[in-house]
Amino acid sequence: SSELTQDPAVSVALGQTVRITCQGDSLSNYYVNWYQQKPGLAPVVVMYGQNHRPSGIPDRISGSSSGNTASLTITGAQAEDEAKYYCSSRYSSDNHVVFGGGTTLTVL
Amino acid sequence: QVQLQESGPGLVKPSGTLSLTCAVSGVYIGYNNYWTWVRQPPGKGLEWIGEIYHGGITNYSPSLKSRVTISVDKSKTQFSLKLSSVTAADSAVYYCATAPSRVSPFDSWGQGTLVTVSS
Repeated sequence: SSELTQDPAVSVALGQTVRITCQGDSLSNYYVNWYQQKPGLAPVVVMYGQNHRPSGIPDRISGSSSGNTASLTITGAQAEDEAKYYCSSRYSSDNHVVFGGGTTLTVL
Repeated sequence: QVQLQESGPGLVKPSGTLSLTCAVSGVYIGYNNYWTWVRQPPGKGLEWIGEIYHGGITNYSPSLKSRVTISVDKSKTQFSLKLSSVTAADSAVYYCATAPSRVSPFDSWGQGTLVTVSS
């Protein structure tokens, strides 16, 4: 299968830690990228490859991958982290790009 | 700094062809980058449409392959999307984006343009 599965929604209390997951067969064998999208705006990459963070992205955001699951962890969530998060990968033998369905993060 | 800007009609009739252009500045459009189209129906998730790279090699989503054409015009520093036989299901915000290589993320995006398919 070439699908990436994400939980539709998660919530976290302000200042607490939240993990957003992305599942796919043997996903740890592929580069996984994470995008943050706020309403009305284009997506922004917040994590890519083997846990690389673009410049300007706070270090409270980190990534990991093991087996069938890639994870984006936000340690000490802030109000500005409230957004929809998408995982993405060239998760197919045909080099096609696949997006997960997205996870809406609510910071309480 | 790479800048991308989509342009094209905001309204397309059913069974017609959707045509969008992405103007590129800040980087040479020629050989290295992967030039991509992504769409997002209202209230829904991101869908990869396809890409063009290495000057002209294309790679399309299997679900859209029969209707999609992506091309690049180096002289005009822009690349284009054509989607034929559109229906209401093709109504979406269309983004152009780029990645420096196959294993890189899409690190530059246009602001997106809403296309509605309606008579």
